[in-house]
Amino acid sequence: QSALTQPPSASGSPGQSVTISCTGTSSDIGGYNYVSWYQQHPGKAPKLMIYEVTQRPSGVPDRFSGSKSGNTASLTVSGLQAEDEADYYCSSYAGINNVIFGGGTKLTVL
Amino acid sequence: QLQLQESGPGLVKPSETLSLTCTVSGGSIDSSGYNWGWIRQPPGQGLEWIGSVSYTGSAGHNPSLKSRVIISVDTSKNQFSLKLSSVTAADTAVYFCGRRGRGGGVAPYAVDVWGQGTTVTVSS
Repeated sequence: QSALTQPPSASGSPGQSVTISCTGTSSDIGGYNYVSWYQQHPGKAPKLMIYEVTQRPSGVPDRFSGSKSGNTASLTVSGLQAEDEADYYCSSYAGINNVIFGGGTKLTVL
Repeated sequence: QLQLQESGPGLVKPSETLSLTCTVSGGSIDSSGYNWGWIRQPPGQGLEWIGSVSYTGSAGHNPSLKSRVIISVDTSKNQFSLKLSSVTAADTAVYFCGRRGRGGGVAPYAVDVWGQGTTVTVSS
């Protein structure tokens, strides 16, 4: 199985919005509404930001939102803040109790 | 508050078996709503799903790892474990354990609680 495809980098200025894409296939993203997004700061464990495409866990700011169209999922961060600078990973259920991750996107707040 | 902690050797020789344990505290591993999984991250690279196990012992793993992976659970100790055989330098990574929602449950197929990670280096 191949990793989901994410752009290696994204950037935006404080207060702006940025969208990170995650492209898969009909066997993963396109086949299930089980897309998750994780935020990872250097040297730290990932943190769940979005699950089931659009759902936010308790405590995650509503500046973070998710969506999906066909085989591509997206994470939008609105009102960028300095602390949003991190690596972001998407993941999707890929059938038979398996999960697949994206290659990660480094978000820079200019 | 649920916490997960990985433990095991930080150095493994090539061709040997990597063995890690994840201890769950602040909650019970004996839950039908979750699976317990392993994820790894090679240096400077992205995340890779290794596999997971339910409290009943039903396990599954990433097909790309073929038959090298064994994931098991010990409910009496509130722990689950990973064994990865025939390791090579490509298995050098930070290994995370995590709680993953089951299909139809809370946060299905998402890892909502993570351990801090443990670094494993494969080298002679």
